[in-house]
Amino acid sequence: AQKITQTQPGMFVQEKEAVTLDCTYDTSDQSYGLFWYKQPSSGEMIFLIYQGSYDEQNATEGRYSLNFQKARKSANLVISASQLGDSAMYFCAMREVQRDTDKLIFGTGTRLQVFP
Amino acid sequence: EAQVTQNPRYLITVTGKKLTVTCSQNMNHEYMSWYRQDPGLGLRQIYYSMNVEVTDKGDVPEGYKVSRKEKRNFPLILESPSPNQTSLYFCASSKAGGISQPQHFGDGTRLSIL
Repeated sequence: AQKITQTQPGMFVQEKEAVTLDCTYDTSDQSYGLFWYKQPSSGEMIFLIYQGSYDEQNATEGRYSLNFQKARKSANLVISASQLGDSAMYFCAMREVQRDTDKLIFGTGTRLQVFP
Repeated sequence: EAQVTQNPRYLITVTGKKLTVTCSQNMNHEYMSWYRQDPGLGLRQIYYSMNVEVTDKGDVPEGYKVSRKEKRNFPLILESPSPNQTSLYFCASSKAGGISQPQHFGDGTRLSIL
């Protein structure tokens, strides 16, 4: 079974600084995909960025980028130039697709707080 | 605008009173799914659907029903709600094609069963 581990329950960062949120994963599959989602205090779940296991380059999407280290099974999210609006819970996830299942497996999340 | 729309956003109701949470997506996605999010338990899948008239149980299907009569709609039905179904519910959709497809979520429905 696949597993996602996020070891940082909470992180603080000053506005305009960069921050890295850690994610490690466990899977026996050769082909897999990793996702990051943001959940503000209002509750919605927002898709941020995707990294495929065979992608040669680290994914980037605006101020979000992934530091993907396949050998270490880590897919850390880097947020550059933090803004107050980045304060939220961040979840790392992997999609598990097998004969009788198709679902996202989520980590426990990291609460990021951006201060002025 | 591409989106997944859930209604209602908030609902307080009583034990045993049947309710339906609607979910609709305008992206022509084949796959749709329901999750519930609870403190300490994270997000857990309730049901999913790979296409019209095809539904399968997730990890916590007890007490819930779903149907997929049209591609765009995937309602979640609680026939006889109980307090342990108090939760934050999310509907999600994606293109078919498995592991590389991100699931797009609705804004969530906060359900309180008294």
